[in-house]
Amino acid sequence: DTGVSQNPRHKITKRGQNVTFRCDPISEHNRLYWYRQTLGQGPEFLTYFQNEAQLEKSRLLSDRFSAERPKGSFSTLEIQRTEQGDSAMYLCASSLFGLQGDYGYTFGSGTRLTVV
Amino acid sequence: KQEVTQIPAALSVPEGENLVLNCSFTDSAIYNLQWFRQDPGKGLTSLLLIQSSQREQTSGRLNASLDKSSGRSTLYIAASQPGDSATYLCAVTYMNNFNKFYFGSGTKLNVKP
Repeated sequence: DTGVSQNPRHKITKRGQNVTFRCDPISEHNRLYWYRQTLGQGPEFLTYFQNEAQLEKSRLLSDRFSAERPKGSFSTLEIQRTEQGDSAMYLCASSLFGLQGDYGYTFGSGTRLTVV
Repeated sequence: KQEVTQIPAALSVPEGENLVLNCSFTDSAIYNLQWFRQDPGKGLTSLLLIQSSQREQTSGRLNASLDKSSGRSTLYIAASQPGDSATYLCAVTYMNNFNKFYFGSGTKLNVKP
C-alpha cells in the first residue's frame, strides 16, 4: 500500500462544467475525509465517511457538491456547475478509527482544480 | 468560533539557525494538536502529534510543545537546513468534535544556504 492516492493530480475545467475527483485511501483505513485548501490558507474540512456512511458535512459543501464512498473503499467528490470560486486544492485523507481513537491520519497529494 | 492562528506567516532564516513557529487556538478543550509540513503543490506530511494530555513531543530536530491553558503550541526546529523549507501547518481537533481538523493558515519557512 503506497498511501492515499488521488486522481487526477490537476484538473482545468470551464465554468459551468461538472468535475469528479477520486480518492483511494489506505486499504485498512475505515475513515475517509475531504478537505479544500485555497491559496495561502490552511485546509478546510468538507466531509468525512466512516466505512460507506457519510457522517458529517460542512456548510462549505453546497448543493453543487456531492461525495460518495460506495462499499466503503474509494471515494468520489463531484462538483456540478463549477464556479471560479471552486478553484482550490482538494485533499483527501484516511485514518483507522477504533475504540482507542483515530490513528494513522494520512493525507493524499491532492487534486488541484482550476476553473477558467 | 474555533480559530487557529499561526505567526509569523512567513519566515526566512540562514542555514543552521534555530527557530520557533507559533500556533494559537481559541478553545482550550482540544482533543489533540498536530503539526504538518506541506511542500509546494503537495499534500500534507504529519510531523508531530500531541495528545491533549501531553506537554511535548520530539522527533529528531523537531520539538513541539503544547500549553492548553494559554491556547498555544510551538514548533521548535533546531539547526535548520535548506531542506526544511516548506509551509508548516498547525491543526487542532476539539473534544466536542474530534472528527475533523481546524487548520491555521501556515508559516512559510525559507532556509537560505
